[in-house]
Amino acid sequence: QSVLTQPPSVSAAPGQKVTISCSGSSSNIGNNYVSWYQQLPGTAPKLLIYENNKRPSGIPDRFSGSKSGTSATLGITGLQTGDEADYYCGTWDSSLSAGRGVFGGGTKLTVL
Amino acid sequence: QVQLQESGPGLVKPSQTLSLTCTVSGGSISSGSYYWSWIRQPAGKGLEWIGRIYTSGSTNYNPSLKSRVTISVDTSKNQFSLKLSSVTAADTAVYYCAREGRGFGVRPWGQGTLVTVSS
Repeated sequence: QSVLTQPPSVSAAPGQKVTISCSGSSSNIGNNYVSWYQQLPGTAPKLLIYENNKRPSGIPDRFSGSKSGTSATLGITGLQTGDEADYYCGTWDSSLSAGRGVFGGGTKLTVL
Repeated sequence: QVQLQESGPGLVKPSQTLSLTCTVSGGSISSGSYYWSWIRQPAGKGLEWIGRIYTSGSTNYNPSLKSRVTISVDTSKNQFSLKLSSVTAADTAVYYCAREGRGFGVRPWGQGTLVTVSS
């Protein structure tokens, strides 16, 4: 069971917008930055968002991130069939003495 | 641009030690304020953070694996390594090496290497 909770799946039509939620606690999301990753089938994850809402170079502005309290959200607008992938949130968790990185269980996005 | 590549045996026997190396190219492992990380993913499952090392040598490990994990860095070879002892079938996964920057931004990732634990 993952420390961060994501919905197992979301779906939307091409051109539409979708949001993916990531719920945590004060020991992780509440006091640390959140990042988001896209994993296409058979490939390594790719960073989409870091520091809650920043996009690395090369990531289109169709992808956005936000954080409020102990939850974070990834938004994707103008959905394309190529966006079909698994999406993961990640952050640092400080609940244990040494801390650890944690990820959500992943959300499968289907573009209908 | 920085690229990472994992290498090591694809098959490890139960109770033995899994050893992987990550070679960093396109930049120095010693430059910048980065952590160098290992993350794994069992088939069909999510990502599990294993641990990370700073170029100073300081490490952080997942408490669930801490007793079995060692991550080290060799700046002269621009490599960092993972050792996981006393492996079982539950350690079968794709293992990724990656660089962690600001705000838990992990980028780039290696392509991943499948390690199977089986006799």
